[in-house]
Amino acid sequence: GAGVSQSPSNKVTEKGKDVELRCDPISGHTALYWYRQSLGQGLEFLIYFQGNSAPDKSGLPSDRFSAERTGGSVSTLTIQRTQQEDSAVYLCASEPGEVDEQFFGPGTRLTVL
Amino acid sequence: SQKIEQNSEALNIQEGKTATLTCNYTNYSPAYLQWYRQDPGRGPVFLLLIRENEKEKRKERLKVTFDTTLKQSLFHITASQPADSATYLCALDNSGYALNFGKGTSLLVTP
Repeated sequence: GAGVSQSPSNKVTEKGKDVELRCDPISGHTALYWYRQSLGQGLEFLIYFQGNSAPDKSGLPSDRFSAERTGGSVSTLTIQRTQQEDSAVYLCASEPGEVDEQFFGPGTRLTVL
Repeated sequence: SQKIEQNSEALNIQEGKTATLTCNYTNYSPAYLQWYRQDPGRGPVFLLLIRENEKEKRKERLKVTFDTTLKQSLFHITASQPADSATYLCALDNSGYALNFGKGTSLLVTP
C-alpha cells in the first residue's frame, strides 16, 4: 500500500516568504508528527497530532511555525517569514496507534536563500 | 535536562562481524525505546521496539537490549553486511509526549 507522502520534495524560497509543506499520512493512522532535521543533526520534534486531541505544539521553535491537520488526515506545516536558519529537511511521520512504530515520509528539503 | 546520547563517531567494521551501537539517556523514564535506520536522503525506517519490562528483543540479525538501571540500550547487528551501512537512530518515549530521537550513529560495513 501507499506509504507517507510529502510534497514538495524540494523547496527553495527567499528569506521572508511564507512556505507550506504538505504531508499525506497512511490511511487510518491516528497519529501524525512533524520533525525537522538539519545537516548532521538528529530529528527535532516540531508538532504531534493524535486523533481528535489538541495537538502537542511544544516543539515548534517560534510562532512563525504552525501546522494543521484537516479531517484527521492530511497535514500542512506553514512557516511564515522564513529565515535562513529554517533551512532543513522537514519530515512527517504517521503512526497507527499511540505506542507503535512511526512510518516516515521522504521529507521536504527546504532551502531559504 | 533530558539527553539522548549516541556515539557521534562513525563505527567502521568488517563484513561478518557484529556491530554494537549504544544509546544512553538521562532524565527520561521511557516506557519503551525504538531503533530506526536512516539512509542518506531518506526518512528513517523502523526496526525494533522494546518495552521497559523487556530485557532483550531479537529480529533476524538484529538484537536490542534495554537496561533501565543503566539507562542504556544496545543495538547489535550480527553477521554484518555492507548493506547494513546506514545511520541508526534510537528514540525514546517521553512519558506520553512525542518520541525524542538521538542524533544517530553512522555505521560503515566494509567488505
